[in-house]
Amino acid sequence: GAGVSQSPSNKVTEKGKDVELRCDPISGHTALYWYRQSLGQGLEFLIYFQGNSAPDKSGLPSDRFSAERTGGSVSTLTIQRTQQEDSAVYLCASSLEAGNYGYTFGSGTRLTVV
Amino acid sequence: SQQGEEDPQALSIQEGENATMNCSYKTSINNLQWYRQNSGRGLVHLILIRSNEREKHSGRLRVTLDTSKKSSSLLITASRAADTASYFCATGQGGSEKLVFGKGTKLTVNP
Repeated sequence: GAGVSQSPSNKVTEKGKDVELRCDPISGHTALYWYRQSLGQGLEFLIYFQGNSAPDKSGLPSDRFSAERTGGSVSTLTIQRTQQEDSAVYLCASSLEAGNYGYTFGSGTRLTVV
Repeated sequence: SQQGEEDPQALSIQEGENATMNCSYKTSINNLQWYRQNSGRGLVHLILIRSNEREKHSGRLRVTLDTSKKSSSLLITASRAADTASYFCATGQGGSEKLVFGKGTKLTVNP
């Protein structure tokens, strides 16, 4: 597609429920990144995929968080047993080549855990 | 952990004035990038400057990089109300492909 697409744009969930956030990167972009941003804060790195290499999961805050990227394209970020501190905007970005090009960001998913 | 630290945290200017934002970082970098964010959603890539470059221009934007001082600046000339946004610097650190973002500078351009 023309840009990075994320769905849903907004998600309200009850504490303890699982949620799945989807990211559809730009076709041909080999690198895909997940970040989250709490209100008024900077971006916190979560996970990074590059081609067929093992993902860099060093930013995932707990084992309740996981992500996968199927067929080198669409990625899903899953948060199990959501907590109120998980409330944030989750941003996905893709890049033509990691380390050499800028990122193209999606519009994000605003997650609210009540 | 935060790598880039932007300064100031907030900046308010009049339309037509220039806006300068600074970014400092701590470790060696491959490149440094600037992004703009409107309304707390997706970020837009503005410019990338590599560690062996000192200055780069794109339209009304000018970015400088001083690796000896581990700092960069973003200059927006002849600002417009539409430039109102948060601006983030991000660094690609040596040996890592992921970008580390600062907390941003909130720029307000008053008409």
